[in-house]
Amino acid sequence: SQQGEEDPQALSIQEGENATMNCSYKTSINNLQWYRQNSGRGLVHLILIRSNEREKHSGRLRVTLDTSKKSSSLLITASRAADTASYFCATGSGGGSQGNLIFGKGTKLSVKP
Amino acid sequence: KAGVTQTPRYLIKTRGQQVTLSCSPISGHRSVSWYQQTPGQGLQFLFEYFSETQRNKGNFPGRFSGRQFSNSRSEMNVSTLELGDSALYLCASSPGLLAGTLRNSYNEQFFGPGTRLTVL
Repeated sequence: SQQGEEDPQALSIQEGENATMNCSYKTSINNLQWYRQNSGRGLVHLILIRSNEREKHSGRLRVTLDTSKKSSSLLITASRAADTASYFCATGSGGGSQGNLIFGKGTKLSVKP
Repeated sequence: KAGVTQTPRYLIKTRGQQVTLSCSPISGHRSVSWYQQTPGQGLQFLFEYFSETQRNKGNFPGRFSGRQFSNSRSEMNVSTLELGDSALYLCASSPGLLAGTLRNSYNEQFFGPGTRLTVL
C-alpha cells in the first residue's frame, strides 16, 4: 500500500521555471524523504526532512513539511532539462526498521529546453 | 566509496523458472533492502536484511526470499516465476542502526541501478 501519494502525476514545464510537487501521507512519521529516478534506473536521495522541521533547503531544492496536514512539497527552482525525472516521496512505515520505506507513485517531471 | 552494485543488470526468464539477483552494498553498510518496481504497483518493499538477519518483510508471497552474507552482500531469489514478476528490482543499502534505537528513524538509502527482470 502507498503511504505517500504525490501530485501531480505528471508535470511539464519550460527550462528556467519552477516545479512544485506535493506529497500526502497517512500515518505519523519521523521523517520524510524525496528521491529522484531517471528513466528506469536507480533512485537518488535528494533530501530528508525530519518531523520537527518545517522547511529545508539544498541547492535549488526546497522541501516543506506540514505534519498537521500530513503533507510535504518539493520545489525545484530554475529547473533545467537535466531535472527531467520521476520524483518520489518516501516515509518509514514504523517497526524500528531502517529499510522499510514506503514510496508514493511519483511525479513525472519533464523540463523542456 | 564505490556505490551499490547489482548483478545482473538484465535478465530474461520463462515462467516457472527461478532467478537469483545479487546486491553488493556500500562498504561499511550493514542494512540491505530490496524493492520491486512495476508500472502498475510502483515501488514496493520486499524485505530488509541487517547483520545477516531478515529484519522486516513486505507483503509478497513465499516465492520471494532473500539472504544476507557476513560481508553484507545480499541475494534475493524468486522461484516459480510468473509473468507478473517482470519488474525492476532495486537494492538499497544504508549504514543501519540496531532495531529499537532511534525508533522510526529512517536514514538515507543508497540505491543500486537495479536488475530488470523480464518473465516470458
